[in-house]
Amino acid sequence: GAVVSQHPSWVICKSGTSVKIECRSLDFQATTMFWYRQFPKQSLMLMATSNEGSKATYEQGVEKDKFLINHASLTLSTLTVTSAHPEDSSFYICSVSQGAQETQYFGPGTRLLVL
Amino acid sequence: SQQGEEDPQALSIQEGENATMNCSYKTSINNLQWYRQNSGRGLVHLILIRSNEREKHSGRLRVTLDTSKKSSSLLITASRAADTASYFCATDIGGFKTIFGAGTRLFVKA
Repeated sequence: GAVVSQHPSWVICKSGTSVKIECRSLDFQATTMFWYRQFPKQSLMLMATSNEGSKATYEQGVEKDKFLINHASLTLSTLTVTSAHPEDSSFYICSVSQGAQETQYFGPGTRLLVL
Repeated sequence: SQQGEEDPQALSIQEGENATMNCSYKTSINNLQWYRQNSGRGLVHLILIRSNEREKHSGRLRVTLDTSKKSSSLLITASRAADTASYFCATDIGGFKTIFGAGTRLFVKA
């Protein structure tokens, strides 16, 4: 399956700052990547679908101006949490898919703690 | 409400026993996938079963899918302490959209 990396794996920041998380597909060119958020002991919630060269598709209830997604190339998507607040503290995970109706391969996740 | 709901929410068994987890969903699906997540880590893909398949095996894993009942089960045979993790089902409902269940926390005692 595809190998996906995320950077950073851990980030602690002050309230009001912006944090950028990178998701890279290391061995596969991904036209579509996905961003999920997972709160402690809960399931994954899809935030947005990131499309290379076009705007991301956000799920209902996810603020696109707060969670900026850029899919600049076939191997890199970034998620920027703007003006982060403590309630944004969560585990953010990206995934890539090799096509519609195919397996999603997940990155190791990024744990964000906003103080 | 969630597309995928799993039961039990938590399961504790002895090493060597079998573990069965169930997943139910509401809408039609293209496929259903099972993932494992160790605490604080990313998800590891276990098995994908398509809507026209009824059963799949991979090592000690057996997955069934009953589209008439909108349910799936994951069976782990001869469990090991290393199988301790959370297990999630995820349904592909089309349009690149995958919805995750709440997960089952499995604890295998050595």
